[in-house]
Amino acid sequence: DIQMTQSPSSLSASVGDRVTITCRASQSISTYLNWYQQKPGKAPKLLIYAASRVQSGVPSRFSGRGSGTDFTLTISSLQPEDFATYYCQQSYSTPPLNFGGGTKVQIK
Amino acid sequence: QLVESGGGVVQPGKSLRLSCAASGFTFSDYSMYWVRQAPGKGLEWVAVISYDGDNKIYADSVKGRFTISRDNSKNTLYLQMNALGGEDTAVYYCAREIPRGGVDILDVWGQGTTVTVSS
Repeated sequence: DIQMTQSPSSLSASVGDRVTITCRASQSISTYLNWYQQKPGKAPKLLIYAASRVQSGVPSRFSGRGSGTDFTLTISSLQPEDFATYYCQQSYSTPPLNFGGGTKVQIK
Repeated sequence: QLVESGGGVVQPGKSLRLSCAASGFTFSDYSMYWVRQAPGKGLEWVAVISYDGDNKIYADSVKGRFTISRDNSKNTLYLQMNALGGEDTAVYYCAREIPRGGVDILDVWGQGTTVTVSS
């Protein structure tokens, strides 16, 4: 299986901050990379697919970049509702659609 | 919509069967996943089944103990869990896999059902 590694595992930020989360694949996955947001007690929600395509209904402050092995999820101006855990997921070699370890975004 | 059921407290070594009832889409058209999340941990895919039930893949952590199945006539996905251990304590989600923009995504998720393995 392709291994997905996220960094950092957690971060603290303030409302209005620009936040960037990194995801690295153990081998090249082109742009077969998705990002999900999960809030406590809730199921994950798709934010970004194919590395940079924003899911319908997701605010424009969320963006994704990358190809090959290195990817980023950026929140341009952190809002209170963005405090959550974010997961990357590869869809290059499927099944399975396996996940990174997650990045928890906390309030500073 | 996906609605899981069947979770609960079970003793180590016992069995449990989870169900996931689908509605609002043609269930038989899609591959389906079980994904779990242990307390305070990240997401872990558990098993996936093809749209027709012919192909099944399991995570190493559950291989030989868990069985994924589906009944397309009942629009229901199942996860039979045997020989449960403390490491299986988690919230279990079912999710639909679809292609989008050239990649596969999990676009619809259930609310989750909690399995607690404890004596």
